[in-house]
Amino acid sequence: KQEVTQIPAALSVPEGENLVLNCSFTDSAIYNLQWFRQDPGKGLTSLLLIQSSQREQTSGRLNASLDKSSGRSTLYIAASQPGDSATYLCAPGREAGKSTFGDGTTLTVKP
Amino acid sequence: DTGVSQDPRHKITKRGQNVTFRCDPISEHNRLYWYRQTLGQGPEFLTYFQNEAQLEKSRLLSDRFSAERPKGSFSTLEIQRTEQGDSAMYLCASSPLGGHTDTQYFGPGTRLTVL
Repeated sequence: KQEVTQIPAALSVPEGENLVLNCSFTDSAIYNLQWFRQDPGKGLTSLLLIQSSQREQTSGRLNASLDKSSGRSTLYIAASQPGDSATYLCAPGREAGKSTFGDGTTLTVKP
Repeated sequence: DTGVSQDPRHKITKRGQNVTFRCDPISEHNRLYWYRQTLGQGPEFLTYFQNEAQLEKSRLLSDRFSAERPKGSFSTLEIQRTEQGDSAMYLCASSPLGGHTDTQYFGPGTRLTVL
């Protein structure tokens, strides 16, 4: 059974800081890995999807890396802004797109 | 394209009552997923459909839960004889085919409170 751990559980940073969120998973037989953002009481918004054959993906100020063999992924956020405040969830996916989620990292960016 | 929609957004019910939730996926998405999320935790997979076929059910989906996708379009999730432990956010997601490159698109969720 896939186990997903996200560290830290919560993070508070001043605006403008670069930061890294960590995700580890126990079963490396994954098809892809997605990073999602969730605002309080809302659904999930996909940020980045990395295929199992890829090492990283970038979108704007976000960069996600994947080391499948060691069961690790990181999400790098550059020049953080207050609008980045949310919970970030990591989800390695297996066949048929079924994903196992971590419990997330709650990020607060202070103005 | 309006994205994935879910109805209702909130449901409060008394223990023992039956409830039904609806999910409308993005049109032409073949795959539809149901997840359950409790406060402070990530979503947990419940079940998924490929068109109208329900292909997998999690152990979390007890026999009080049933899901359908009758014509391969919208889906319903019914919970019979609700219990307080069923209180959670129920999330629906869809994807084109569920392949390596397919992003899952989530709806806003239905928050269930069982009194």
